[in-house]
Amino acid sequence: DGGITQSPKYLFRKEGQNVTLSCEQNLNHDAMYWYRQDPGQGLRLIYYSQIVNDFQKGDIAEGYSVSREKKESFPLTVTSAQKNPTAFYLCASSRVGGFTEAFFGQGTRLTVV
Amino acid sequence: KNEVEQSPQNLTAQEGEFITINCSYSVGISALHWLQQHPGGGIVSLFMLSSGKKKHGRLIATINIQEKHSSLHITASHPRDSAVYICAVSCPRFGTGTRLQVFP
Repeated sequence: DGGITQSPKYLFRKEGQNVTLSCEQNLNHDAMYWYRQDPGQGLRLIYYSQIVNDFQKGDIAEGYSVSREKKESFPLTVTSAQKNPTAFYLCASSRVGGFTEAFFGQGTRLTVV
Repeated sequence: KNEVEQSPQNLTAQEGEFITINCSYSVGISALHWLQQHPGGGIVSLFMLSSGKKKHGRLIATINIQEKHSSLHITASHPRDSAVYICAVSCPRFGTGTRLQVFP
């Protein structure tokens, strides 16, 4: 069955370390997205990509980096420059042209200690 | 002002009650999604709408494109419906969610 796989579900890291969150989809979607959610708040867009080897910053891109070397994969790196990295991270994908038929991963809860 | 506004932010109901959650948006869209997020964070897509009305079991979603408004209705609510319900539009932008608690 087609879908999005995020891994791991829970992740713990020490402060100052970079960490990479995985997002893989087998839906043949061109567009992929990364969001961050803080307690009691809505989802905010970090980065998105509409085609391989191209990506755009969202509202809160500082302290994050992404790559899109393959259509199926859109990994997110939380760098040591991100001041408050502890959060819930959600990956999504859709067909290009308006977020139709969007699918969502199960999310990764990152805790930095 | 957020591009996507949801109301209410919190909702408490007794089992069996009819529930309505509203979503208003200020941007042009091609699709609107209603999502359900359970404790633990996992998100499930309930509906994708571009016009009219859709029904799935006890859930009904409607959209009025001219008024830029959508509603999610839950008939005969049940404690297992307790979750955060999120509206998302095709920018993509999300509402802040409505936290629903249904008590037996």
